[in-house]
Amino acid sequence: SYVLTQPPSVSVAPGQTARITCGGNNIGSKSVHWYQQKPGQAPVLVVYDDSDRPSGIPERFSGSNSGNTATLTISRVEAGDEADYYCQVWDSSSDHPEVFGTGTKVTVL
Amino acid sequence: QVQLVESGGGVVQPGGSLRLSCAASGFTFSSYGMHWVRQAPGKGLEWVAFIRYDGSNKYYADSVKGRFTISRDNSKNTLYLQMNSLRAEDTAVYYCAKDQFSGVILPFDYWGQGTLVTVSS
Repeated sequence: SYVLTQPPSVSVAPGQTARITCGGNNIGSKSVHWYQQKPGQAPVLVVYDDSDRPSGIPERFSGSNSGNTATLTISRVEAGDEADYYCQVWDSSSDHPEVFGTGTKVTVL
Repeated sequence: QVQLVESGGGVVQPGGSLRLSCAASGFTFSSYGMHWVRQAPGKGLEWVAFIRYDGSNKYYADSVKGRFTISRDNSKNTLYLQMNSLRAEDTAVYYCAKDQFSGVILPFDYWGQGTLVTVSS
């Protein structure tokens, strides 16, 4: 089955840039989606189709995808960005095609 | 506004059964694929199952295949998850989630608030 690997944690100071990677075999050929989840809440979509933002999501959130790595970038990090972040793809070649990444905890120092 | 409200969670013994429901409103339910996703305590997200907008196609995670059944009633705007032969490792918050675009699988633009399933003797 398709595996998506994320770093367990990323720490960043306020105002700096956080980059969260999502590694998968030839992930650049798939559409990658990113979710933010704060404690006790349901996840929220922050980037879809590699780099598009849903309405209401700040421009500080951006995404890219190439080769074997997709990246979610959070610019000018704020305290409110502290959360878990998950990448997601649909692997149409599999019998169980939906895959979430392992998740990354972003800590704002 | 779009709302997804799960219900049916609770405490069940190993080997038991439970049926979860997800009541949808604020959008044309019959036009969108729907999913169940779960999250064990302190763990990451795990996709459980998908059903196409018309119920004609379903996919399951290996961990639940043969034990769980996803279904929908478009006349009642409701999604279901029938869970049989429950195990301790099925303990989790179960979320229903809606596909963002009609006819396109993923991403999820709306999630319910979740319902807790605890499998314990």
